Amino acid sequence: EPEVTQTPSHQVTQMGQEVILRCVPISNHLYFYWYRQILGQKVEFLVSFYNNEISEKSEIFDDQFSVERPDGSNFTLKIRSTKLEDSAMYFCASSTPGTRFYEQYFGPGTRLTVT
Amino acid sequence: SQKIEQNSEALNIQEGKTATLTCNYTNYSPAYLQWYRQDPGRGPVFLLLIRENEKEKRKERLKVTFDTTLKQSLFHITASQPADSATYLCALGSGGYNKLIFGAGTRLAVHP
Repeated sequence: EPEVTQTPSHQVTQMGQEVILRCVPISNHLYFYWYRQILGQKVEFLVSFYNNEISEKSEIFDDQFSVERPDGSNFTLKIRSTKLEDSAMYFCASSTPGTRFYEQYFGPGTRLTVT
Repeated sequence: SQKIEQNSEALNIQEGKTATLTCNYTNYSPAYLQWYRQDPGRGPVFLLLIRENEKEKRKERLKVTFDTTLKQSLFHITASQPADSATYLCALGSGGYNKLIFGAGTRLAVHP
């Protein structure tokens, strides 16, 4: 069964540094998402992306964050200047029309640690 | 504001019994509700989606009900096994391919 993949699995960075988290959504999917989960807390929505533009973003997704689909397969989340409070698991998800419409499939996550 | 509550922090049951998990919501009218399984340090794994016009959905040992009047979904695992031990998340969607809003999850422990 096709899966969402994410790299790296764990990223350690210093405060103020830029990080790029990478995702390869399921190949025929059209809708892409980033969520995050701070340790012990709920999964929170960050941003959704469709047709090469942001569909919706949360209050968390401020100017420090950006997303891009640089080619036909990758979907990236960039944090320009990381803060300690950005430490979390970041999950990419994808979805598509068809028989399984609206179902969102998540990747294994990238654990981001900001020191 | 929108609120999603899942019952208790942990549910302990004996192998073979039916586990029933609850998801209640307020100040929200979801078009659909999704249930996920999450193991420690892993991403949510999709289990079932139920739409607002559906009362019940089944998949193998799993059953989900959705009562939009009570604003509640119940998630059942029949003939539970120790391998079912995990955290189960409910997530609500307002419609289309919009964001999901997640509950905090219920940790299920199935004991042999």
